[in-house]
Amino acid sequence: NAGVMQNPRHLVRRRGQEARLRCSPMKGHSHVYWYRQLPEEGLKFMVYLQKENIIDESGMPKERFSAEFPKEGPSILRIQQVVRGDSAAYFCASSPQSGRGETQYFGPGTRLLVL
Amino acid sequence: AQSVTQLGSHVSVSEGALVLLRCNYSSSVPPYLFWYVQYPNQGLQLLLKYTTGATLVKGINGFEAEFKKSETSFHLTKPSAHMSDAAEYFCAVSAISGGNQFYFGTGTSLTVIP
Repeated sequence: NAGVMQNPRHLVRRRGQEARLRCSPMKGHSHVYWYRQLPEEGLKFMVYLQKENIIDESGMPKERFSAEFPKEGPSILRIQQVVRGDSAAYFCASSPQSGRGETQYFGPGTRLLVL
Repeated sequence: AQSVTQLGSHVSVSEGALVLLRCNYSSSVPPYLFWYVQYPNQGLQLLLKYTTGATLVKGINGFEAEFKKSETSFHLTKPSAHMSDAAEYFCAVSAISGGNQFYFGTGTSLTVIP
């Protein structure tokens, strides 16, 4: 059973460009979480999605960031007009259920560098 | 609101020595707690978790953690460190409401000295 897949693993963008980060959850998992890890910091929750629905986006910056999890295909985290402060590692996690205490399985992350 | 605090951003131990990584939590309800390990340039791997029941939880790679409500702690231990244990360790608590998002500590980098 393949784990959580994320691509690309590394992404370089210039200021003002768009970044698209993809996450394919584990087979059978319909709950996806995105986290951001800034250098020397822990992971910060951004958004929680189920298929075709955003359940909680309380950790997402109000501007330039969006996320989706379509009926078919991977979950996408989109960052428009990137700035240097967006440079970070972005991790996706998935779980089979959404109940409190459910284990989340993490992907290898996408490391975004904004020049 | 929930949060976790990891005391000691860097811990060094000799190979074969006891590993102790500290985690204290804040939660208005009984917490669900997790320890994850992150190797360089990789994702997070679950070491162990506490939800209910036995307060001493055993995980992978010889690690264990004890939930102590009176001390609001969930420290991670391993009797004898191996070189392969060198990594970043994160403690996390599960959200009370809404989805199951995690609140992570800032991490502890473990160095094992040969």
